[in-house]
Amino acid sequence: AQKITQTQPGMFVQEKEAVTLDCTYDTSDQSYGLFWYKQPSSGEMIFLIYQGSYDEQNATEGRYSLNFQKARKSANLVISASQLGDSAMYFCAMRGRGSGNTGKLIFGQGTTLQVKP
Amino acid sequence: DVKVTQSSRYLVKRTGEKVFLECVQDMDHENMFWYRQDPGLGLRLIYFSYDVKMKEKGDIPEGYSVSREKKERFSLILESASTNQTSMYLCASSSGGQGGFLRRAQYFGPGTRLLVL
Repeated sequence: AQKITQTQPGMFVQEKEAVTLDCTYDTSDQSYGLFWYKQPSSGEMIFLIYQGSYDEQNATEGRYSLNFQKARKSANLVISASQLGDSAMYFCAMRGRGSGNTGKLIFGQGTTLQVKP
Repeated sequence: DVKVTQSSRYLVKRTGEKVFLECVQDMDHENMFWYRQDPGLGLRLIYFSYDVKMKEKGDIPEGYSVSREKKERFSLILESASTNQTSMYLCASSSGGQGGFLRRAQYFGPGTRLLVL
């Protein structure tokens, strides 16, 4: 069975500082993909970044980077230079071959990030 | 940009009513999904469709049905609404095919907050 664990229900960060949101996963698949989504209070889930299990380098997208440690089964999201607009809930998700035909994403419980001015 | 729209942002219904939630995407995506989101549980897949008139059950299909008569539209139906179906409902879409299966992100609509009284 596949599982995503986000152990931080809530986080605070000062504006302009960097913050790391934790994500650990469990899967027996050799090939899998890891995703991070942002959900502002408006409700829409926004795709941020993707990391493949065989990607040699950590993924980066603007101020977002993924600290991927395959042996530890962790895929932490790093947000650099936090902005007030980064305040939202963040979800880690994965898809493996075990997802079968649905291609469904398995989501963690989410981490609420608040950026302080 | 991918655009996924949902017919209502907020909906209040009474127990026993039949409820229709509509989702439309404009990117010609083959795959469409319905999730529900509850605090502490993350997102859980209700149903999935990979083509017109094709559907597969997700993790929690009980009490729900779906309809996909056109490629761009995917409807979620609550046959007889119950209070335990009070939740946030999120529709998503993604491209199909076998290539790049793992890295295919899902794109979400703004969500419908449903309250069943």
